Formats: sequence, C-alpha cells, structure tokens
Amino acid sequence: QVQLVESGGGVVQPGRSLRLSCVASGFTFSSNGMHWVRQAPGKGLEWVAVISNDGRDKHHADSVRGRFTISRDNSKNTLYLQMNSLRAEDTAVYYCAKDRQKAAADYYFDYWGQGTPVTVSS
Amino acid sequence: EIVLTQSPATLSLSPGERATLSCRASQSVSSYLAWYQQKPGQAPRLLIYGASNRATGIPARFSGSGSGTDFTLTISSLEPEDFAVYYCQQRSNWPLITFGQGTRLEI
Repeated sequence: QVQLVESGGGVVQPGRSLRLSCVASGFTFSSNGMHWVRQAPGKGLEWVAVISNDGRDKHHADSVRGRFTISRDNSKNTLYLQMNSLRAEDTAVYYCAKDRQKAAADYYFDYWGQGTPVTVSS
Repeated sequence: EIVLTQSPATLSLSPGERATLSCRASQSVSSYLAWYQQKPGQAPRLLIYGASNRATGIPARFSGSGSGTDFTLTISSLEPEDFAVYYCQQRSNWPLITFGQGTRLEI
C-alpha cells in the first residue's frame, strides 16, 4: 500500500531555514509528480509546490516562491522541501501528496502523508 | 487567482439524511475540480476528481456533479463516519492550484 512519511518539522525562529523530507513506498516513486500542501492551524489547505516525476519541472506558489524549493531523489524515494527565510505565516502542518496521474501531473492528490508540523516563532 | 467559495460553511444533518455541498468558482474551471474529506487530526482524502469521478475505494454514496463555475458534492445517505470537513480544489489554471475554505458537516 502507498505510504508517505514526512519528517523534519519543528520550531524555528523567523528568518531561519528548515528542510522537510517525505519518504515514499508502495508505488513506483519515479512515475508520479509530487506535491507539498500546507494547512495553517485551524485553517484550510494551501498548495505549496509541485515537482515532476523526473524532477526537471518545478512550480511554487507565489507565497513561497524564492524562499522554498522543492526537490526529489528518485534513488532514495524521497521528496524534499527546503524552506529558507521562514516567516510566522509559514506556520502550518506540511503534507506531501502524490499526484494521481503517472508522468504528467494532473494536480489531483490521491495519497497524503500524515503531515509534519512547522512552527515559526521567536 | 481562481477563488472557490464553498457553502454552507457548516451543515448539520443526521445519519441517513442526504447531504448537498456546494462549491462555486470565480471563473470557469471546466471540469477540473476535486473534492476531499478531512477528519480531525488526519490528512485529507481524495473523494472525487474531474468533477464527477470517484477516486479508488470511495463508496458509491459519494457523487460529484457540475461544470464551469458551479459544483456539488452529494452524499446520498450519511454514515456516522462521513461527518468531517470537505474541501473543493481546482486545477484548471495549474500550477495556480486553489482550495475552497471548507464545509464542516456535523451531526
């Protein structure tokens, strides 16, 4: 069965950096695009970033562009989110999510991890 | 940015009743709309994609309809485990993906 396990979250001061990881199993990781989606406490869902199955194509939401970078290592079945210059408004649970479609992403998320919380506070 | 507005914000029903949840887009998204269910402390779960296609393993009591700007998620007969928050999501103008603010379905 598909499993996505995030790690790397924690409490960090504004302006600092954090790297999240998501280890995938139960499917051919290199076949699907992958996403990060976040949810601020008590709020709704916000899409953060996507990376194509081969890692060549990446897109980031306007709210994080220039500060966050999505990447992947298909040899390790692992997705990453490098978060720099963190702000209080980045406080959220961060989920990795698998794209439903193989190869070209269709931006529907059919499997999600359990999430890793990030708190940005001084 | 395409804004998705869900209504009502909260829907109070009983098991066995029919639930109708609405999602309206600020501009046409064709049929590029999905619905997710989220229970407290859990990750979202994909229910419907492409406006009307049930995801793998989703019970037949869940159905989606609509196109353009107006969409509906219908749960034909509520089960106790269906009480949760429901989100719609559009992918029409990817990668500018947006979600609705959610509808809380409560007993």
